[in-house]
Amino acid sequence: RKEVEQDPGPFNVPEGATVAFNCTYSNSASQSFFWYRQDCRKEPKLLMSVYSSGNEDGRFTAQLNRASQYISLLIRDSKLSDSATYLCVVNRNTGGFKTIFGAGTRLFVKA
Amino acid sequence: ETGVTQTPRHLVMGMTNKKSLKCEQHLGHNAMYWYKQSAKKPLELMFVYNFKEQTENNSVPSRFSPECPNSSHLFLHLHTLQPEDSALYLCASSPITSATYEQYFGPGTRLTVT
Repeated sequence: RKEVEQDPGPFNVPEGATVAFNCTYSNSASQSFFWYRQDCRKEPKLLMSVYSSGNEDGRFTAQLNRASQYISLLIRDSKLSDSATYLCVVNRNTGGFKTIFGAGTRLFVKA
Repeated sequence: ETGVTQTPRHLVMGMTNKKSLKCEQHLGHNAMYWYKQSAKKPLELMFVYNFKEQTENNSVPSRFSPECPNSSHLFLHLHTLQPEDSALYLCASSPITSATYEQYFGPGTRLTVT
């Protein structure tokens, strides 16, 4: 089993839709969590960090459930420009620094 | 714009060639990373450097040889590569190697081994 797993996708949604991505992690010692966005043939770019209390940045909301070892990203009012691959990233320091990227979920937003 | 630059952006090399990839970060960070991203696969962490010291080598074949002369520069020396090594090679940096910090990526070098 992979240490970080994401919905395989792809998600195909119309403009204006709300879409949710899920990510689960298996190591309970995981400490920090991030969502990155990667456009086709480009580098990953940080979208937002994920905090235990949940956090919001405009149309984007990230949630963390440590008990269930689950992270989510909600995108409201989807735009065409939101089309990309969304990567879940989990970091921990236990046993040495580790950073693990999920395989990503592809999102297509259509007019 | 990213504070991490990579050169070259594209590279085609034969299996007997020797080439080097360069990464430079302008963010004042002390940790740098090499990743490999093959088509339709997740990012694979290859090497990690913290304050110029290599702290991680994820069982990477010896035909890939990293070098970190200072905290701002990272190289990946390539020799006798295989066609399956064709991929996007991404460099990233962070303040230090700590779970707290996010990483910032360069644009990558798209490598094709013929």
